[in-house]
Amino acid sequence: DTAVSQTPKYLVTQMGNDKSIKCEQNLGHDTMYWYKQDSKKFLKIMFSYNNKELIINETVPNRFSPKSPDKAHLNLHINSLELGDSAVYFCASSQGSGTYEQYFGPGTRLTVT
Amino acid sequence: AQSVSQHNHHVILSEAASLELGCNYSYGGTVNLFWYVQYPGQHLQLLLKYFSGDPLVKGIKGFEAEFIKSKFSFNLRKPSVQWSDTAEYFCAASPYGNNRLAFGKGNQVVVIP
Repeated sequence: DTAVSQTPKYLVTQMGNDKSIKCEQNLGHDTMYWYKQDSKKFLKIMFSYNNKELIINETVPNRFSPKSPDKAHLNLHINSLELGDSAVYFCASSQGSGTYEQYFGPGTRLTVT
Repeated sequence: AQSVSQHNHHVILSEAASLELGCNYSYGGTVNLFWYVQYPGQHLQLLLKYFSGDPLVKGIKGFEAEFIKSKFSFNLRKPSVQWSDTAEYFCAASPYGNNRLAFGKGNQVVVIP
């Protein structure tokens, strides 16, 4: 009965590869997010979708492409992985795109070697 | 762009000691304010939030925070910590009616039994 789930939990891959991270929420929320947490634990928003529509797109390399097949899912695809992409990626969701708290998933630790 | 600053990144204290973590935000308008906690190896969980009303907010696990508008601050307090409060604490802010959360760099709190 996990509210926000992510797969995989750990991902180890080599530079240049393409990988995807999946996120699903069963809270009935219509807004989902991707955050990146770097090695110093600093969290930064990357993207946000509301009802499958992109509403926040921070300064992120275009190697990162989010996809929202429906309101309950938001996937993150990363092309041509680089060492600097190593981080923990958190998915989150909220009831709406305004003044609402965000619920976070368990995170995916990506290691690029 | 809004930013959130947290001071004293590493805090070490003994059980039963009082804890206060500072948080300042830089945004001139109305803001939504949050404190999240990340226990070792776990995802972020909401401790408390402030949207409007009483500036003294009570959250889970005995935590409280006070919003002081004139100081652009939202400091977190707990009168008596326990070993289980060992975690990373993040302050976050977003403009009112907006879901673009900006996080501080976090406070790593270690409680010694």
